[in-house]
Amino acid sequence: AQSVAQPEDQVNVAEGNPLTVKCTYSVSGNPYLFWYVQYPNRGLQFLLKYITGDNLVKGSYGFEAEFNKSQTSFHLKKPSALVSDSALYFCAVRDSKGNRGSTLGRLYFGRGTQLTVWP
Amino acid sequence: DGGITQSPKYLFRKEGQNVTLSCEQNLNHDAMYWYRQDPGQGLRLIYYSQIVNDFQKGDIAEGYSVSREKKESFPLTVTSAQKNPTAFYLCASRRDRDTYEQYFGPGTRLTVT
Repeated sequence: AQSVAQPEDQVNVAEGNPLTVKCTYSVSGNPYLFWYVQYPNRGLQFLLKYITGDNLVKGSYGFEAEFNKSQTSFHLKKPSALVSDSALYFCAVRDSKGNRGSTLGRLYFGRGTQLTVWP
Repeated sequence: DGGITQSPKYLFRKEGQNVTLSCEQNLNHDAMYWYRQDPGQGLRLIYYSQIVNDFQKGDIAEGYSVSREKKESFPLTVTSAQKNPTAFYLCASRRDRDTYEQYFGPGTRLTVT
């Protein structure tokens, strides 16, 4: 079964410092991994994805994520945090196997990590 | 939030009433999804549809129903059988089988009293 764990409910960081939001995953095949951000009372916005290739993936708003197959992790990072980065962040993994009528294409989400960046 | 619209943004209903949440997309996406979000629980999949006139139950389909009569529309009905319907409901879509990410609408916050 596919699953995602975000071990930290909250991450607090000072503006200008680097930030990391952690994610580990469990899948039965090759992982397709995603990060989304949610601002209060809004939908989720897609940040970045890892499908294959370079383990370091760059996304929107200066975020990047590092895929580590041996540690089954996909941590989200940013070199210098901004107050405006404060939001709820979700990691997700996709079911990479399936056939017609199966769960092909559905995403499994973590519980989310609330990032607060202090000025 | 792109080309996915959900209406209304806030919805209030009395217990025992059915209510339908709208989700429309003008992205020509094949697949559409409904999620429920509760504090501290992340997103849970209610229903999804990969093509018109076809849909599958997700993890928490009990007390919900959907239809997919048109490619651009995927309405969700919260029935009186849903024991705890108060939540934030998110609709999403995905372009096709070769696209991996989903794109989300702005959500509808449903409060049932």
